[in-house]
Amino acid sequence: GQQLNQSPQSMFIQEGEDVSMNCTSSSIFNTWLWYKQDPGEGPVLLIALYKAGELTSNGRLTAQFGITRKDSFLNISASIPSDVGIYFCAGQDTGGFKTIFGAGTRLFVKA
Amino acid sequence: EAQVTQNPRYLITVTGKKLTVTCSQNMNHEYMSWYRQDPGLGLRQIYYSMNVEVTDKGDVPEGYKVSRKEKRNFPLILESPSPNQTSLYFCASNLRGSLQETQYFGPGTRLLVL
Repeated sequence: GQQLNQSPQSMFIQEGEDVSMNCTSSSIFNTWLWYKQDPGEGPVLLIALYKAGELTSNGRLTAQFGITRKDSFLNISASIPSDVGIYFCAGQDTGGFKTIFGAGTRLFVKA
Repeated sequence: EAQVTQNPRYLITVTGKKLTVTCSQNMNHEYMSWYRQDPGLGLRQIYYSMNVEVTDKGDVPEGYKVSRKEKRNFPLILESPSPNQTSLYFCASNLRGSLQETQYFGPGTRLLVL
């Protein structure tokens, strides 16, 4: 089946640093999504991308939908301790029903 | 308050004993979905439903059943659970499958099959 390769698996950073993570796929997706999961909670949608080349921001978060439609990245600027969690990318197929998730990037922020 | 609820939140059972995890949403959403989350694998879609009486397989449907008799409920059924179904399960819903609307996730159900 379709797979997403998300990297890095984990990151240990200092508060205030910028962070970048990305996802690549062998398949084309029509929609790219980025989620954050806090311990004991379900994932929460951060950013949704619908067009190739689209660059979207949500506060300190910026994500881009790759031109080839096979990749996406998420940047977090000036990280803070509450950014700690697992970040997932997800791709959606043409019909908009099947969603494939990456394995996640676990972010640790040291104050 | 808009929400997706799951019950139970935690469940320990034994191999072969049928169980049902309920999922309910109060947002009149058409689209609902079940995922399982395992370490290092992220979330994998089990089944999804586009509307009442319309369901389809996701990536890992083996060993699971679902039903969608009402719009608000989407139970996940394990007819004969096995240890490899030990996992964290999430239900999710959104208005339409295009995800132009935010997908809401439930709080999760942690299942241990002995």
